[in-house]
Amino acid sequence: QQQVKQSPQSLIVQKGGISIINCAYENTAFDYFPWYQQFPGKGPALLIAIRPDVSEKKEGRFTISFNKSAKQFSLHIMDSQPGDSATYFCATAGGTSYGKLTFGQGTILTVHP
Amino acid sequence: DVKVTQSSRYLVKRTGEKVFLECVQDMDHENMFWYRQDPGLGLRLIYFSYDVKMKEKGDIPEGYSVSREKKERFSLILESASTNQTSMYLCASTGIINSPLHFGNGTRLTVT
Repeated sequence: QQQVKQSPQSLIVQKGGISIINCAYENTAFDYFPWYQQFPGKGPALLIAIRPDVSEKKEGRFTISFNKSAKQFSLHIMDSQPGDSATYFCATAGGTSYGKLTFGQGTILTVHP
Repeated sequence: DVKVTQSSRYLVKRTGEKVFLECVQDMDHENMFWYRQDPGLGLRLIYFSYDVKMKEKGDIPEGYSVSREKKERFSLILESASTNQTSMYLCASTGIINSPLHFGNGTRLTVT
């Protein structure tokens, strides 16, 4: 079974700070690396995704950094806001279906006002 | 917007009961999935389907089966519920390759 290791398990950040969540994967055949955001009572929703042909992707305050040689990728949330408080999951996939995802263990992010 | 609807938000069942979890999507997606979410373990794939009447095992299929008789509907079946199947169950769908996964809001199942 392919594994994706995510850390930290929980994270507390002050408003305006930077939140950083890390993931490490094993299978070099993976070629799709999304991050999902989940609010209480809701299903996860795609936040941002990257493919290994680039080392960084930015969408607003959210950035994915990708290190192919180290088999690691991370999510950076700049200027963190209380509304960002949620559970974040990294995931990986490969081949022709990007729906068959392998997820990390999840990080509960709390942003204090 | 894609909508994935899971028929029950909460379910309480007894050990040994046969349990059906229903999921319907409204975007004509070919691919549908059942995941299980547990604290500290993330989401784990139980079964998935790429077409009507087609199914494939995911990472943790033991104790589960699925049914896909119509394109929009994907059912998860617990043949004989056990307490270790107490969990949050998430259904998801996606269309052609390279498109994101769309999740329902989940069914929290408690087996007593």
